Amino acid sequence: EVQVVESGGGLVQPGGSLRLSCAASGFTFSSYAMSWVRQAPGKGLEWVSGISGSGDSTYYAESVKGRFTISRDNSKNTLYVQMNSLRAEDTAIYYCAKDMRQFVRTLDQWGQGTLVTVSS
Amino acid sequence: QSALTQPASVSGSPGQSITISCTGTSSDVGGYNYVSWYQQHPGKAPKLMIYEVTNRPSGVSNRFSGSKSGNTASLTISGLQADDEADYYCSSFAVTTTVFGGGTKLTVL
Repeated sequence: EVQVVESGGGLVQPGGSLRLSCAASGFTFSSYAMSWVRQAPGKGLEWVSGISGSGDSTYYAESVKGRFTISRDNSKNTLYVQMNSLRAEDTAIYYCAKDMRQFVRTLDQWGQGTLVTVSS
Repeated sequence: QSALTQPASVSGSPGQSITISCTGTSSDVGGYNYVSWYQQHPGKAPKLMIYEVTNRPSGVSNRFSGSKSGNTASLTISGLQADDEADYYCSSFAVTTTVFGGGTKLTVL
């Protein structure tokens, strides 16, 4: 069974940092791109960042470019996002999602999400 | 990259059909056949319902169908059921990014 499980969320002060992890199982991790998508309270979905299966190609939304860094460890079947210089508007549920292909195209399996709250 | 445009809400009675539109530009919806639709029930993770404009993942009811014309994609749900009541989001590949629509709340009357 394909499964992705996020962890690492929590309360952080503005300007602080946080690293989220996503543990994957049930599929050949290195064969598929992965993405982070967030949802602010009561709002819609916002794609945040994606990474190819090999990890060679990374992509970011303008709203997080320069502050967030996506990475993956294919030996550990784990996806990460390092979030720096956090702002109140980064408060959201962060979902990890598996793609159907090697490159970011279609998100076919989603985790349950981890909540990040940026507040003093 | 701006969000794709969806109606905020649609409604229909059980057994009826509804269509949700998703309007983008030639740089996203109109330029590529990588339009997806997701269903999200309250407090749950999104679920893929349609991919690559018209394809249904295994396990998704054939009451759900997708199409595209120019810069506008559409999701049609036929034979509405109570459990279809949810938020629906479209998304599109846009080369260096992925863009979502603002979401449409479907109410089954």
